[in-house]
Amino acid sequence: EVQLVQSGAEVKKPGESLKISCKVSGYSFTSYWIGWVRQVPGKGLEWMGIIYPGDSDTKYNPSFQGQVTFSADKSINTAYLQWSSLKASDTAIYYCARHKQVTEPIDYWGQGTLVTVSS
Amino acid sequence: SYVLTQPPSVSVAPGQTARITCGGDNIGSRSVHWYQLRPGQAPVLVVYDDADRPSGIPERFSGSNSGNTATLTISRVEAGDEADYYCQVWGTGSGHYVFGTGTKVTVL
Repeated sequence: EVQLVQSGAEVKKPGESLKISCKVSGYSFTSYWIGWVRQVPGKGLEWMGIIYPGDSDTKYNPSFQGQVTFSADKSINTAYLQWSSLKASDTAIYYCARHKQVTEPIDYWGQGTLVTVSS
Repeated sequence: SYVLTQPPSVSVAPGQTARITCGGDNIGSRSVHWYQLRPGQAPVLVVYDDADRPSGIPERFSGSNSGNTATLTISRVEAGDEADYYCQVWGTGSGHYVFGTGTKVTVL
C-alpha cells in the first residue's frame, strides 16, 4: 500500500528555521517525483514545486523559489521541505504528494502538516 | 501566469447532479485533473486527463473539457461527496502546476 506520512504540526516564531518531512512506503521512492502543495487557512491550493529523489532534480514554482528548499534522503525514503527564516505568512498546511512524472497528476497525497508561525 | 476560475460554492440535493466548472483561457487544449478535499483527510484525485477516473473512484464522477471550460460532474450526489474540489492544469509556459480557486460542494 502506497503511503506518504508527514511529520506533525509545528509552532514556530518568525525568523526561526524549520524542516518538515514526508516518509513514503509501498513503492520505489527513487522512481517517482514528490511535490509540495501549500494551503493557507481558508484559501486554496498552491503547487510549490517538485523533487525527484532519484537524483534530487528539483523544480520550483517561481512564487516559492528562494523561499523554501526541497531535499530527499534515499536511505530512509524521506522527502523534506525546509525554511531558513520563517515568516507569519508561511502559516499554512503543507502537503507532500506523489507524481509519476512532473507533468502527470498527483496520485497520492500525505495527510498534511500544519505549520503555524506566530510571535 | 495562467489563471483557473471556479465558482466558490455549489449546492445540490442528495440524488441530484452537481456540476463544477473550471474556466481558463483555451483550457480545452490542456489536460485537467480534479481533486477532492475533505476536512481532516488527505486530498484524493477523482478525475485525471479531463475525463479518466482512477481506480476506486465511483462512476458517478465524470469530467469533460472543451473550449474555455472544464467541468467535473458528480451524478447521484451523496452526503459523502460534500467537500472542496479543485481543478489543476500544467502551466506549460510557466513550467509549474496551477490549481483552480476551489469550489465547496454542499449537499443539502
